[in-house]
Amino acid sequence: LAKTTQPISMDSYEGQEVNITCSHNNIATNDYITWYQQFPSQGPRFIIQGYKTKVTNEVASLFIPADRKSSTLSLPRVSLSDTAVYYCLVGEGVGNQFYFGTGTSLTVIP
Amino acid sequence: GAGVSQTPSNKVTEKGKYVELRCDPISGHTALYWYRQSLGQGPEFLIYFQGTGAADDSGLPNDRFFAVRPEGSVSTLKIQRTERGDSAVYLCASSLTAGGRTDTQYFGPGTRLTVL
Repeated sequence: LAKTTQPISMDSYEGQEVNITCSHNNIATNDYITWYQQFPSQGPRFIIQGYKTKVTNEVASLFIPADRKSSTLSLPRVSLSDTAVYYCLVGEGVGNQFYFGTGTSLTVIP
Repeated sequence: GAGVSQTPSNKVTEKGKYVELRCDPISGHTALYWYRQSLGQGPEFLIYFQGTGAADDSGLPNDRFFAVRPEGSVSTLKIQRTERGDSAVYLCASSLTAGGRTDTQYFGPGTRLTVL
């Protein structure tokens, strides 16, 4: 299994930039890295996906170093509504399984 | 357009009973996934369909769990002889293409199953 390791929890004040790092030492050559966000009582929601270097969309940036053994999700100027659990995933074998892990619980403080 | 829908939203049953959980994927999505999520944990993969066939059912915990997708759209997760340990939120997701590793999975709101 291409497992991932993330911090269990993080706190941040409103308006700050938040960086969540994920380790995935066993990532396979063809695997992409995907981040999901989950609010209580809802299913996970896609945030961003990348293969290497940097990807940016309207809500986040994803930084991936050359060795691809880690990745960092960057949320600019967080607000209270960004309080959620964030999961880092890598693709998993021919069965298309995804290993979610326990995620990072982000709490944004006013 | 409509997202992934799941019914019922909540299901309470007694130990030993049979339950069915339904998932309506996004129209046109060929891949469908079932996950189980326990409190404080991330979703745990159960089974993946490509069209009508189960391409990977290695995540099903035992033979009490079974899932079907007879027409390649709606899927039903079936649990026989439910046990208290089956209590969890059951999530369904669908994706557009052939279920490759880069596919974005769109999740439903889940069905909260409680076995008394």
